[in-house]
Parts: sequence; C-alpha cells; structure tokens
Amino acid sequence: GAVVSQHPSRVICKSGTSVKIECRSLDFQATTMFWYRQFPKQSLMLMATSNEGSKATYEQGVEKDKFLINHASLTLSTLTVTSAHPEDSSFYICSARRGGAPYEQYFGPGTRLTVT
Amino acid sequence: KQEVTQIPAALSVPEGENLVLNCSFTDSAIYNLQWFRQDPGKGLTSLLLIQSSQREQTSGRLNASLDKSSGRSTLYIAASQPGDSATYLCADYSGGGADGLTFGKGTHLIIQP
Repeated sequence: GAVVSQHPSRVICKSGTSVKIECRSLDFQATTMFWYRQFPKQSLMLMATSNEGSKATYEQGVEKDKFLINHASLTLSTLTVTSAHPEDSSFYICSARRGGAPYEQYFGPGTRLTVT
Repeated sequence: KQEVTQIPAALSVPEGENLVLNCSFTDSAIYNLQWFRQDPGKGLTSLLLIQSSQREQTSGRLNASLDKSSGRSTLYIAASQPGDSATYLCADYSGGGADGLTFGKGTHLIIQP
C-alpha cells in the first residue's frame, strides 16, 4: 500500500508555455501533499504544502503565481508551472501523507521538466 | 532553520563490506527521521522511518539509529551488494502541520562487484 503516481514522467516544453503535473495517491487518502524540486546534484527542496480544499502554503522564495497548486481531492494534487522558462527545468517530485502519526511521506516517481 | 548534513558525500566500497552512512541535524526537536534511496533519474524509495521516541529501526540488511540529543542518525548496511548502489538521503520531519521534510544532500554509494 501507499503508492503515489505522477504524470507525466517527462515533459519538454517551449519557453513561455504552461505545464501541468499530476500527483495521485492510488491506494490511500492523502490529507496533505507536498511538492519538491531537485536540481542536478542537489537535494530535494520543499516548494509548497497543500491540504485538500485549502490554499497551498509556499516556501520562501517560491512564486505562488508561477507555481499553481490545486489539491482538489484527497487523492489528487496538481502543480502547474506557468510561463515556464529554462531556469524552471528541474526534477519535480510530489509526496503524499495520511493524517495522523507517524506522518510518513510517500513519494511519487518524479517528473523531469525541460524547458527549451 | 533546520539543516541536515550527510557524510560522506560519496563512498565506494567492495561488495560484501558492511558500511555506515551518517546524517546530522542542527535542531533536535524532530518528530521523525526517514532514510530514502534514490536511483539515478528516479524518485525516492523509503527505506526506514524512525520516530523521535525510537532509537533504531531494522529492515533486512538495513539498520537505522537515531540519537536526538546529539543530532545524529546512522544507516548501517550489512553485507553490501552491487544492487545497493544508489544515493541515500536522510530527511527529518519537525512536526509542524505545514512542514515538509528537510533533506540532506545525500551519500552517493557505489558497491564494486
């Protein structure tokens, strides 16, 4: 149990376009979902936290108008990168968490975004 | 702000050796600590989670320990195999409702056949 999927796994888009990434918890209800970004040879950095039905909480330095997060149900969160630029090229990974202890996070397989 | 450090950054050992990966964190007020494995270009595979009230967790050839007072965790891998080659990440959860995990930069492990 506790499987998280992401779609797409890879996407290449042109500068100025928008890209949507989906994160789904397949076999459990996720009260909270998280979005992380990983640049080459760097660790994962938290971008934002979303709770179902609420506005996302963004980390300092992350533009909320550029990275739109929607957590419409207990099994689905989406991240939309708007007006993408080459510097947005990165590996985006989502995670999902049930409510209650031990608050373990389950990670998706990641999405490789390349902006040309 | 919590900082997580992993030492060494890279490690290469012959197959069959036992090895220890280290993780340290600056704020001991953590709720739990997780160890993950990441293969190149892939997502994360959770290996072990240690809650703050626990001292260690074991899964197969893996054993993770936690010493909150000293701000340290170790991941012990017994009888290493080439398939263990990957990057190992530790991350802590501080317990805030909106908090994600704070990750270290990882230890890149290569097990030589």
